[in-house]
Amino acid sequence: DQQVKQNSPSLSVQEGRISILNCDYTNSMFDYFLWYKKYPAEGPTFLISISSIKDKNEDGRFTVFLNKSAKHLSLHIVPSQPGDSAVYFCAATGSYQLTFGKGTKLSVIP
Amino acid sequence: DVKVTQSSRYLVKRTGEKVFLECVQDMDHENMFWYRQDPGLGLRLIYFSYDVKMKEKGDIPEGYSVSREKKERFSLILESASTNQTSMYLCASSERGKNSPLHFGNGTRLTVT
Repeated sequence: DQQVKQNSPSLSVQEGRISILNCDYTNSMFDYFLWYKKYPAEGPTFLISISSIKDKNEDGRFTVFLNKSAKHLSLHIVPSQPGDSAVYFCAATGSYQLTFGKGTKLSVIP
Repeated sequence: DVKVTQSSRYLVKRTGEKVFLECVQDMDHENMFWYRQDPGLGLRLIYFSYDVKMKEKGDIPEGYSVSREKKERFSLILESASTNQTSMYLCASSERGKNSPLHFGNGTRLTVT
């Protein structure tokens, strides 16, 4: 049973436009959510996180929105840059254990 | 900067061999993790450890074991490698506290033939 779902395996966006990556979760015990970015041949790197007591967290070009009632979160990247092209993983936790989604491959087209 | 170092980037082993994957972190983190990444399946947790000599099973521990004799080192052991264990293996560490972000190594690409 997949507790963290990223339903879009891939996304293409023009440089300068907004990228929106979506994530849904099913476990009500999750109270902390993170996004990781992964380039080929490298390990994932932490990007941004949000606690369940908030509905928005911003860090530069990256904003994460959390809708608890819908069990949905999204990552917005504005403006998108070619260097943002990577696989993005959504992750959630209610304990020490992180549960990851399957990832969305973002391609930013110059 | 946190550094998580995995001893090998690429490994090729034969079916039935015992395989050791080594991971070392230099930031005195209490928690360490082993994941595998497979296409279409994302990252799946194999084992984790929140203290020296402590270990907990993750989602897919079958066919694996771990060792944490020192705080900075967390080893993943494939007792008898099988072809379905061909994968990218990722080690990670984090500070104590359940919401501490994970810091990952660059991964070991293991091929079992």
